[in-house]
Amino acid sequence: KAGVTQTPRYLIKTRGQQVTLSCSPISGHRSVSWYQQTPGQGLQFLFEYFSETQRNKGNFPGRFSGRQFSNSRSEMNVSTLELGDSALYLCASSPKAGNSYEQYFGPGTRLTVT
Amino acid sequence: GENVEQHPSTLSVQEGDSAVIKCTYSDSASNYFPWYKQELGKGPQLIIDIRSNVGEKKDQRIAVTLNKTAKHFSLHITETQPEDSAVYFCAANGGGYQKVTFGTGTKLQVIP
Repeated sequence: KAGVTQTPRYLIKTRGQQVTLSCSPISGHRSVSWYQQTPGQGLQFLFEYFSETQRNKGNFPGRFSGRQFSNSRSEMNVSTLELGDSALYLCASSPKAGNSYEQYFGPGTRLTVT
Repeated sequence: GENVEQHPSTLSVQEGDSAVIKCTYSDSASNYFPWYKQELGKGPQLIIDIRSNVGEKKDQRIAVTLNKTAKHFSLHITETQPEDSAVYFCAANGGGYQKVTFGTGTKLQVIP
C-alpha cells in the first residue's frame, strides 16, 4: 500500500497570509489527524477527522482549521499566519477513529512564515 | 490531560551496545503506548507499540516494557547499528481530547 502523502512538502508564506495543506491517507484509512512539530513545543495534536467530521481538537487558536472529504483526504488551513506558525505540519492516518489505534505519519509539510 | 516525560534527551552508544529510553505518563486511563522513530527530513515512523494488558513486547532487536503500577514504559534496542541513529518518541493515549501525547524525544547516536 502507498503511504501517507502530504503536499506541498515545503512552503514559504508571509505574515498575515493564509495557507492550505493537503493530506492523503493510506488507502482504507478513514481517520486523519494533524500535528504541529516545533523544536520548542515538540509534537502537538491539532485535530482529528473521521468520516468528514472533526472528532476532537487540540489546544490551538481558531486560525487553525481543517476538513475531510468523502474520499478521506484532508486539508488543513491556517489563516492570518504568524511567525510562530513556522513548523513541520504532520498528517497521520489511522484505520479507526479514537486514540487506541496505530497511526502512520506522512513526511510532513515544512511551513516557513517570514 | 496526559503528561509524558521522556529521558534521556540525548544518548550516544557504541555500535553493538544496547540503548534504553524511558518514559513516564501521568494519566492512569492511558492504555496504548506507541514508539516512533524519526529520521532527518522524515515523518515519525511507528516502530513498536504496547497495550496495557501486556507487560512486554518484542520485535527482533526492539522491545518495549510497561509497568502500569509505576506508570512508566521503556524502549530497549539491542545490538545497535548506525542506521538506528534517529530521534525516538514515546507516546501515550491518555484521556481527554488528545489523540496521543508525545514525549519530548531522545536523539540516539550510534557510533560505528
